[in-house]
Order: sequence, then structure tokens, then C-alpha cells
Amino acid sequence: ETGVTQSPTHLIKTRGQQVTLRCSSQSGHNTVSWYQQALGQGPQFIFQYYREEENGRGNFPPRFSGLQFPNYSSELNVNALELDDSALYLCASTRSSGEETQYFGPGTRLLVL
Amino acid sequence: QKEVEQNSGPLSVPEGAIASLNCTYSDRGSQSFFWYRQYSGKSPELIMFIYSNGDKEDGRFTAQLNKASQYVSLLIRDSQPSDSATYLCAVILNQAGTALIFGKGTTLSVSS
Repeated sequence: ETGVTQSPTHLIKTRGQQVTLRCSSQSGHNTVSWYQQALGQGPQFIFQYYREEENGRGNFPPRFSGLQFPNYSSELNVNALELDDSALYLCASTRSSGEETQYFGPGTRLLVL
Repeated sequence: QKEVEQNSGPLSVPEGAIASLNCTYSDRGSQSFFWYRQYSGKSPELIMFIYSNGDKEDGRFTAQLNKASQYVSLLIRDSQPSDSATYLCAVILNQAGTALIFGKGTTLSVSS
């Protein structure tokens, strides 16, 4: 167990809807990264938050947005869901932005119909 | 476009054998390399990281890094059926905090 938790574990939405996924980082970790993993692929970096500020972003459209709270927990919001958004969404925490080892939560599996 | 390449496999080895998993990366400036294991339906689990050229050993696992050839590998000695999983190679993308760039993973099957 990494101490990183995510909710919900599974989610079913329909195309066009909006979804919010949540992540609680490991105690003492102030940096959170989000990844999308489609079936049969490696995780793809969405964005990273450090002390409530976005600290880097991958090649994802603006309808993917996020937040980090003062307790370092984080949310990933996806608007106008598309069928291709169906994936495992992974949150990873790091002790600080200078640290590189990332520990993953169990993930949220999203299915868009 | 920074890339990490892995043979998707499956790589099949008998129990007790050495499994060799390979990874190449495109960004010559990459400094940090990670191996994660992912069981079906689960999230990635960190196995090892390596920063310096050469070998790094941890139990049955050995990571090997050759920056000149832009090549990193993972050896699993005395492979066990419980090692059957997908192994993900990842490199730090320095331009975005400490974001990881992953390969697609290599599926390892260890038969008893």
C-alpha cells in the first residue's frame, strides 16, 4: 500500500457529461500528478500540482482541469466527456516537486457510454 | 516528442529462469529511470529506479542503464509465477515538474 487513495473506484458516465475524480496523497507528500491509462497502453501524463499550483501539463485539452487543496489532496475534472476518455485514471504523489519517485493510488476506472 | 519504447511481448519464461526486459528512450538528456510492475486491473507499483550508468541490484531485480546507448533494462532472476505482470519503463520529463513518460509496457508470463 502506498498511502495514496482515490475515489470512486469505478464510474460510468455518458458522453457529454462531466466527472470529478478525487485523490488523497500520501502523508507528507505535497506534489500530485494525474495520469490516464487506456487499455493496453502505458499511463499518459495529464498534469501535476505542487502546493496548489499547476506545475506542468501533458498533451491534454483544456476540458481536463484540476485542483489541489491546502491539505494536498487533489481533484481531476473532465468536462464534455468523450468515448475515448474511458480509461483508468491514476493519481501519484511525490514528497516534493524536487523528488522524483512517484507512488500511485489504486486508480479510478471510468467508462463513458 | 519524447518517447519510451518497450517490446510489448508477451515474454514467456519458465519458473527459475532469468527474465530480461528492455527499454529505449529518445531524450538524451533524461537523467532518471524507473521500472514499475502492474498486475492486471491494478495500478503501477514501483520496483526500482536508477540514475547512474551501470547496474543497480535489489533482491532478485537488477536494473541496468547505458546512457550512451539510451537503453535501460530490468533483469529478474529466479523468475516466479507471481512475477507475471506488465512491466512499465518510465523516464522523467524534466520540462513538466517531475512528470513520468511511460512506455507501453512488456507483458511477462512465468510458467511453473
